[in-house]
Amino acid sequence: DAGVTQSPTHLIKTRGQQVTLRCSPKSGHDTVSWYQQALGQGPQFIFQYYEEEERQRGNFPDRFSGHQFPNYSSELNVNALLLGDSALYLCASSFWASGNLYEQYFGPGTRLTVT
Amino acid sequence: GESVGLHLPTLSVQEGDNSIINCAYSNSASDYFIWYKQESGKGPQFIIDIRSNMDKRQGQRVTVLLNKTVKHLSLQIAATQPGDSAVYFCAENIWGQAGTALIFGKGTTLSVSS
Repeated sequence: DAGVTQSPTHLIKTRGQQVTLRCSPKSGHDTVSWYQQALGQGPQFIFQYYEEEERQRGNFPDRFSGHQFPNYSSELNVNALLLGDSALYLCASSFWASGNLYEQYFGPGTRLTVT
Repeated sequence: GESVGLHLPTLSVQEGDNSIINCAYSNSASDYFIWYKQESGKGPQFIIDIRSNMDKRQGQRVTVLLNKTVKHLSLQIAATQPGDSAVYFCAENIWGQAGTALIFGKGTTLSVSS
């Protein structure tokens, strides 16, 4: 049983460009959350998707957008890249049961470098 | 804003010792907490979780303690091994209008020497 998978592993982009990162949740999970982790810091919450809708959003600008597909996989899009967007982008999947969210397993992340 | 923090940035122990990593949280309404282990270049690995209706939960070689009175969380690792060397984060689950978010502290780096 595969865990959370993310692609690509590494990515190098130029300032002003756009990027799309992908995530497939763990089998049985229906919720995907995205996080940004700068070097030496803890992950920062970007947003959460459930039933193909954005349910919760952190303090990130509108340049960051996402999507969830019917198979629960998700994409993170970042427009007009800035140097400060360089980070490890993490996807976490989880599932809802009885009004509670369970687990939250992370993928290996995508290392984005903006030059 | 509110955040979850760890008491010590680094912890060095000898192989076979028991390790205790501490965490203080500030949101008294938080109902779910998770400990993660993160090795260099990898994503956080789920270790153990605990809900606010519990004080203690045990896993394999790990125990999480939750003290809601003082808003304190700890992770105990028994018989620490070199493979336990990593950065450890506690994360606090907070509720929004329609979803949730994990708030992480800065982490404690555990170094295990043999």
